[in-house]
Amino acid sequence: GEDVEQSLFLSVREGDSSVINCTYTDSSSTYLYWYKQEPGAGLQLLTYIFSNMDMKQDQRLTVLLNKKDKHLSLRIADTQTGDSAIYFCAERPSGGSYIPTFGRGTSLIVHP
Amino acid sequence: DAEITQSPRHKITETGRQVTLACHQTWNHNNMFWYRQDLGHGLRLIHYSYGVHDTNKGEVSDGYSVSRSNTEDLPLTLESAASSQTSVYFCASSGQTAGTSGSQQFFGPGTRLTVL
Repeated sequence: GEDVEQSLFLSVREGDSSVINCTYTDSSSTYLYWYKQEPGAGLQLLTYIFSNMDMKQDQRLTVLLNKKDKHLSLRIADTQTGDSAIYFCAERPSGGSYIPTFGRGTSLIVHP
Repeated sequence: DAEITQSPRHKITETGRQVTLACHQTWNHNNMFWYRQDLGHGLRLIHYSYGVHDTNKGEVSDGYSVSRSNTEDLPLTLESAASSQTSVYFCASSGQTAGTSGSQQFFGPGTRLTVL
């Protein structure tokens, strides 16, 4: 079955880059998602990548996928205090169920 | 704009009472899901539905039930609330075609439930 692992905490200084890492185990073609959860709110999709891609960039966000190592990363450039949140990695095999497997979330703390 | 809403946002109840949490989506999604979020456990799936009159158990379904009588709503009922069910509950929905969003889930704002 699928398993998604991420580190629990990351602390960065405002203006630096943040890199949040995730590993997954499913070997089939899969969708990989990054969600952001701000305090007191639900999860919101930031970006997603399909497993036939290596990289996806969207403004300050860069997603890198290493299929061989089953490693996914989210890089946030020029991190701001508003980026402080919990970031969830999730995967969902294509052609399978509609239920993604979520990691436990990484709490990103941005300090001045 | 399409959205997914939950009510109430906060609820305090007593052990043994029946509680129903509402979830309503206007995305016209076939798939709907209920999760609970607890420190140290992340998100855990309670129940899910792939369409009207379809319901399925998730990994932590004991003590919970759902019904799907229309596309828009998936209410979650706690038959006899227990202190272990104190949590934040999230409803989510998703479409059945990958399209441009990979069948992403859209989440509601959550309901914070306290069982005393």
